Amino acid sequence: EDQVTQSPEALRLQEGESSSLNCSYTVSGLRGLFWYRQDPGKGPEFLFTLYSAGEEKEKERLKATLTKKESFLHITAPKPEDSATYLCAVHQGGSEKLVFGKGTKLTVNP
Amino acid sequence: DSGVTQTPKHLITATGQRVTLRCSPRSGDLSVYWYQQSLDQGLQFLIQYYNGEERAKGNILERFSAQQFPDLHSELNLSSLELGDSALYFCASSVGAPHQETQYFGPGTRLLVL
Repeated sequence: EDQVTQSPEALRLQEGESSSLNCSYTVSGLRGLFWYRQDPGKGPEFLFTLYSAGEEKEKERLKATLTKKESFLHITAPKPEDSATYLCAVHQGGSEKLVFGKGTKLTVNP
Repeated sequence: DSGVTQTPKHLITATGQRVTLRCSPRSGDLSVYWYQQSLDQGLQFLIQYYNGEERAKGNILERFSAQQFPDLHSELNLSSLELGDSALYFCASSVGAPHQETQYFGPGTRLLVL
């Protein structure tokens, strides 16, 4: 069965303190790995799509990378407004559904 | 703003009742997906429609059904509601073509069953 595991479950950082979130997956025929940001009570907001090992994408203070077994979301010099739950999801070849991890709740203190 | 709209934003109803949630996809998107998010389960895929046809099914209960209309909007019908159906329900849409599978989510409908 497809599995997506995110770690840590929760992360507290001081403003400016860089860190990384992990998403490990077991799926055959990866068709895409997606990162979303979700604020409380809101819909997930799309951040990145990664398709193949070695691929990297950046947006402001966020950088996503992909290997054959996991993906990292690197947050450089975070600000309080980066506080949110970050969700990882995988799209398996031959299936239309996204399988989501349970997310990492990030809190950035000023 | 993702371009996906959902109505209503909030819904409070009683056990045993039936409700309909509505979703309009982004302009140009042919695929619509429905997800349920509860505190202990995370985001769970329910069902997908592509250009009016059911494409994939997830953990959708028999009490739940969905359809996609010719104008591509979709409705999720929940019947014989139970307390455990209280959750956030999200709709997402995508173009539905290879390498264009990114799903964009709507703001959700919060359902409370009393």
